[in-house]
Amino acid sequence: DAKTTQPPSMDCAEGRAANLPCNHSTISGNEYVYWYRQIHSQGPQYIIHGLKNNETNEMASLIITEDRKSSTLILPHATLRDTAVYYCIVRVARGGATNKLIFGTGTLLAVQP
Amino acid sequence: DSGVTQTPKHLITATGQRVTLRCSPRSGDLSVYWYQQSLDQGLQFLIQYYNGEERAKGNILERFSAQQFPDLHSELNLSSLELGDSALYFCASSLGTGRTEAFFGQGTRLTVV
Repeated sequence: DAKTTQPPSMDCAEGRAANLPCNHSTISGNEYVYWYRQIHSQGPQYIIHGLKNNETNEMASLIITEDRKSSTLILPHATLRDTAVYYCIVRVARGGATNKLIFGTGTLLAVQP
Repeated sequence: DSGVTQTPKHLITATGQRVTLRCSPRSGDLSVYWYQQSLDQGLQFLIQYYNGEERAKGNILERFSAQQFPDLHSELNLSSLELGDSALYFCASSLGTGRTEAFFGQGTRLTVV
């Protein structure tokens, strides 16, 4: 699986959009970009994933560049409860036995009141 | 609630002992993954099972073993415990076919004294 690079920490004001970048310049054509977050010692929480098109769900939006070498997770209106470590993971997803998730160090997002 | 159930939530045991951690995956999920998270380490992948068979192995010690039963629940056995085995142990499950997101339980906090 391709390696990802994320800033170690970011701040965001409550109510503003949080834009979390991720670099995955060695991504392969069959690898998806997944985002998870972990709120202090809780189990990681799935947020969103995508292959090449932008994706949106009730939690966030995922913007993947055309060359797929980087992506941005957008939390449109950050709240204090969004303070967490956010992980960007690149992973092959195929039927039968989906590949394991390999977590890096992630980005600690601190939402400030 | 992710639908993944881990028991027990907390476990305190002495060095040299053996413990069993249990994971019930989400209904219908065939893949189970185990992860270890120590205070000074990130989320480390240990092992994956798919429909009862071992599918991938990570940094799992020889003192540790796991299995997935016909009803798809999984157990992680930790033996000859050492102080350094104190950690959060997470289980995740995914469908394995089609939907590829993995969902995590709330973990078992193991303290070895």
